[in-house]
Amino acid sequence: QVQLQESGPGLVRPSETLSLTCAVSGASISSYYWIWIRQPPGKGLEWIGYIYYSGSTNYNPSLKSRVTISLDTSKNQLSLKLTSVTAADTAVYYCARLMTTVATDYWGQGTLATVSS
Amino acid sequence: QSALTQPRSVSGSPGQSATISCAGTNSDVGAYNYVSWYQQHPGKAPKLMIYDVNKRPSGVPDRFSGSKSGNTASLTISGLQAEDEADYYCCSYAGSYTYAVFGGGTKLTVL
Repeated sequence: QVQLQESGPGLVRPSETLSLTCAVSGASISSYYWIWIRQPPGKGLEWIGYIYYSGSTNYNPSLKSRVTISLDTSKNQLSLKLTSVTAADTAVYYCARLMTTVATDYWGQGTLATVSS
Repeated sequence: QSALTQPRSVSGSPGQSATISCAGTNSDVGAYNYVSWYQQHPGKAPKLMIYDVNKRPSGVPDRFSGSKSGNTASLTISGLQAEDEADYYCCSYAGSYTYAVFGGGTKLTVL
């Protein structure tokens, strides 16, 4: 059974960098595409970007200048870094496995990241 | 403002059908047959219900069906059940630059 588990600091100061990890079990990250999606409290879903095991990435143009997604194959996990955060970046962040083009089959439970001083 | 437009709410009685629309453009929904639908219950991660416009993942009841006409995709739920009450989001491929866009979500209420 494939399982994903996000983790990271629940509170981040404005202008600092949000760093999250997603530990994957039951599947090798050296296959498939892996993605990050976020959801501000009470709002809809927003695509952040994907990474392929080859290192190929694609980011939401609105976040591209601030976001980096990477893989750590030794730990079988992926990471998300979002720089210069503001209150607008407060959201539940999900990692997921991409099954086909825009279809995900496995999700983490999500982790809330709050940007506040 | 979301890239894809969905009605904020839809309702139906148990046993009836409900249809949720997802309006895009000829750069996303209209250009590709890569539309997915997700169901999300409060406090839970989204669950894939339909992909590639009209394909159902294993385990999803055949009460759920998807279709597309022009720039608008639709999710139809027949034989509504109480557990279908949830938020539903559409998602479309939008080309290699943007890649994916979501709708704003629709709250389905089973009366």
